[in-house]
Amino acid sequence: DGGITQSPKYLFRKEGQNVTLSCEQNLNHDAMYWYRQDPGQGLRLIYYSQIVNDFQKGDIAEGYSVSREKKESFPLTVTSAQKNPTAFYLCASRDRQGRNEKLFFGSGTQLSVL
Amino acid sequence: GDSVTQMEGPVTLSEEAFLTINCTYTATGYPSLFWYVQYPGEGLQLLLKATKADDKGSNKGFEATYRKETTSFHLEKGSVQVSDSAVYFCALRGDNAGKSTFGDGTTLTVKP
Repeated sequence: DGGITQSPKYLFRKEGQNVTLSCEQNLNHDAMYWYRQDPGQGLRLIYYSQIVNDFQKGDIAEGYSVSREKKESFPLTVTSAQKNPTAFYLCASRDRQGRNEKLFFGSGTQLSVL
Repeated sequence: GDSVTQMEGPVTLSEEAFLTINCTYTATGYPSLFWYVQYPGEGLQLLLKATKADDKGSNKGFEATYRKETTSFHLEKGSVQVSDSAVYFCALRGDNAGKSTFGDGTTLTVKP
């Protein structure tokens, strides 16, 4: 079955540590996105990529980094510069050719600080 | 820039009650509009969508009509069930093809 896989489901970060969240899709979608969700709030865009080897900052990119070396993969690194990383992180993808196509979401990673 | 404003929650209803969740938007051009649903501990799933003015999206008894004159896309269901308990997000995808904008979400709890 086609879909998006995020791992791990739960992740704990120590002070000063960088951690990487995995996102893999087998939908053959060009565009991929990372969102952050805080309790009671909507989704805020961190980074997005519309094609391999290219990505753009979203609304809250500070303290995060990404790479897009393969079409299927869009990992997100939460760096030590992100002072408030505790949140639920969602990865999504979309068929870039269809302007009105929906977003497909992974099941999320809950990141907490130890 | 684009923005989406949703009715604040939480919303608590009894089973078989009528549901309305209000959503209004601000965008340039002609956005596509979406409702997504999120169950606890999961990602979002598309519930319904509408791509142009006066379109009605519908799925699983839920409906929403794209009203350009009032810039609204209110979600309705005639008779809710306990299984409808979830968080509902209104979203738009505007002329900037790379990005979607989401509302803050409305938590719905349906009691037996």
